[in-house]
Amino acid sequence: QQPVQSPQAVILREGEDAVINCSSSKALYSVHWYRQKHGEAPVFLMILLKGGEQKGHDKISASFNEKKQQSSLYLTASQLSYSGTYFCGTEIRNTGNQFYFGTGTSLTVIP
Amino acid sequence: KAGVTQTPRYLIKTRGQQVTLSCSPISGHRSVSWYQQTPGQGLQFLFEYFSETQRNKGNFPGRFSGRQFSNSRSEMNVSTLELGDSALYLCASSAGNYYGYTFGSGTRLTVV
Repeated sequence: QQPVQSPQAVILREGEDAVINCSSSKALYSVHWYRQKHGEAPVFLMILLKGGEQKGHDKISASFNEKKQQSSLYLTASQLSYSGTYFCGTEIRNTGNQFYFGTGTSLTVIP
Repeated sequence: KAGVTQTPRYLIKTRGQQVTLSCSPISGHRSVSWYQQTPGQGLQFLFEYFSETQRNKGNFPGRFSGRQFSNSRSEMNVSTLELGDSALYLCASSAGNYYGYTFGSGTRLTVV
């Protein structure tokens, strides 16, 4: 029931774009996205409900395809501060909305 | 506005002992969740409490238990500790279903 993220790791130069994907085998109620920097707690980025696009902060946005149980996180014109591990979190329908974090994607932005 | 507070920050315990971790959510947040984070398994859901009731439970053995008090503060207990229980335990609180989780800094548990 843990969603799978891809890629596992990505290295970008400042200003480049990246896409992180999150895929679940279960029907989803919502998808969350979090970023965790080394030695710190995860920080909430955004939540998506029922196939909507959600504009986040800075140049980070996401989409949620409810039919495919997939979500994608888009990072445009990446900054050094974007470095960290990104997790999606999924609430599964009809399970009392159990919540599972994805496998994580390590993103490193270099100058 | 104070964040989510977890105590203690670090713990070292011996195999077979038990441990209690504490979490104080953001004021007004009634939902509290607990997660175990390890390098190999990532973030694993333990359980969620809402208004003193356990609403969801992850796939962990019965040695892991929790409770929530009327002031929304929560405790997590692990009995008969095993070496594999060494991990960062994170608590998160939420204002409701349409809001994200705010995490505490975690308790680093080491079992020797």
